[in-house]
Amino acid sequence: GIQVEQSPPDLILQEGANSTLRCNFSDSVNNLQWFHQNPWGQLINLFYIPSGTKQNGRLSATTVATERYSLLYISSSQTTDSGVYFCAAPYSGAGSYQLTFGKGTKLSVIP
Amino acid sequence: GAVVSQHPSRVICKSGTSVKIECRSLDFQATTMFWYRQFPKQSLMLMATSNEGSKATYEQGVEKDKFLINHASLTLSTLTVTSAHPEDSSFYICSARPEMNTEAFFGQGTRLTVV
Repeated sequence: GIQVEQSPPDLILQEGANSTLRCNFSDSVNNLQWFHQNPWGQLINLFYIPSGTKQNGRLSATTVATERYSLLYISSSQTTDSGVYFCAAPYSGAGSYQLTFGKGTKLSVIP
Repeated sequence: GAVVSQHPSRVICKSGTSVKIECRSLDFQATTMFWYRQFPKQSLMLMATSNEGSKATYEQGVEKDKFLINHASLTLSTLTVTSAHPEDSSFYICSARPEMNTEAFFGQGTRLTVV
């Protein structure tokens, strides 16, 4: 099945700083999602982004499908951005619907 | 976005008992739902795919007799952890999509503690 790798595994930011999280995947995909897992475990959908660039407030994401990576940008970080960020891609490649998750990036934003 | 609701959010049970977790799609029909498990400080791992009206498909290494899945309607899938043991303690979370190859939505998750 597809391999999904995220970097960095841990990230500590001062409030107000910007950051870039990376997700590499081993096979071609036709969908990719970014999630934020809050301290209670809930997965919050951030982006559904098979390709191209999307923006939502201080967050934006870019997926370059041909090069098999996706980036999540967080600008002007806030303490509420803390948590674990996951990217996920289809389980066996382009045609399936289960998701394989990366190991996540744990973000800590300090005041 | 679509809403997936999971219940209960937290359960503590005694070793040897069974626990049922419900996953509902509130504003769409889901012929397929997915069950994941997450151990502390780890990622989510797919356990099984729940199919409405047919048997679930389990991932390698997941005991189908321990984790019983029933997908009796287009909006409800249940996961029953049978004869639970402390090593079954984990965070269980379900997922569904309004349509194939579209965005997946997740329930709130269920934190199971077996004592």
